[in-house]
Amino acid sequence: QVQLVQSGAEVRKPGASVKVSCKASGYTLRGYFMHWVRQAPGQGPEWMGWINPNGDAPKYAQKFQGRVTMTRDTSISTAYMELHNLRSDDTAVYYCARDPGTIWRYFDYWGQGALVTVSS
Amino acid sequence: DIQMTQSPSSLSASVGDRVTITCRASQTISSYLNWYQQQPGKAPKLLIYTTSSLHSGVPSRFSGSGSGTDFTLTISGLQPEDFATYYCQQSSSTPWTFGQGTKVEIK
Repeated sequence: QVQLVQSGAEVRKPGASVKVSCKASGYTLRGYFMHWVRQAPGQGPEWMGWINPNGDAPKYAQKFQGRVTMTRDTSISTAYMELHNLRSDDTAVYYCARDPGTIWRYFDYWGQGALVTVSS
Repeated sequence: DIQMTQSPSSLSASVGDRVTITCRASQTISSYLNWYQQQPGKAPKLLIYTTSSLHSGVPSRFSGSGSGTDFTLTISGLQPEDFATYYCQQSSSTPWTFGQGTKVEIK
C-alpha cells in the first residue's frame, strides 16, 4: 500500500533553514509528481510546489521562489523540501503529497505532516 | 492566481442529513476540481477528483458535480465520521489553490 512517512517536528530560529523529508513506500518515486503543501495553524492548505517524476524540473509557487528547494533521492525513495530564511509566519505543518500526474491532477496520498515552528 | 471561495464556512447538521457544500472559482477551471476531507490534527484525504470521480475506498454517499466555475460536494446521509472540514482545490493552473474550508459540525 502507498505510504508517505515524513520526518519529525522541528524548531528553528528566524533566518535559519529547515529540511523536511518524505519517505515513499508502495510505489516508485519516478512515476509520480511529489508536491509540498503547508498549513498554518487554523488556516487552509497552501500549495508550495512540486518536483516532477524525472526529478529535473521542480516548480515552485512564486511566493516561495528563491527560498525553497525541492529534491529527491530515488535510491532511498525519499523526497525533500528545504525552506530557507525562515520567518515566524512560516510556522506550519508541512505535508508531502503524491500526484499521479496524468491529464487530471490531484493529491491522492498525503504524508502525516511535519510541524515546523519558527520562534526566537 | 485563481481564488476558490467555499460556502458556507461552517454548517451544523444531524446524522442522516443531506449536506451540500459549494465552491466557486474566480475563473473557469474546466473539471480540474478536487475535494478533500480533513479531520482535526490529521492530513487531508482525497474524496473526489476531477469534479465527480470518487477516490478509491471513499463511500458512495459522497458525490461531486459542476463545471467551469461552480462546483458542489454532496454528502447523502451524513455519518458520525463525516464531521470534519472539507476543502475544494483547483489544479487547472499553478499556483494550485484551495478554498478556505467548510467545517461540518454536529447539530
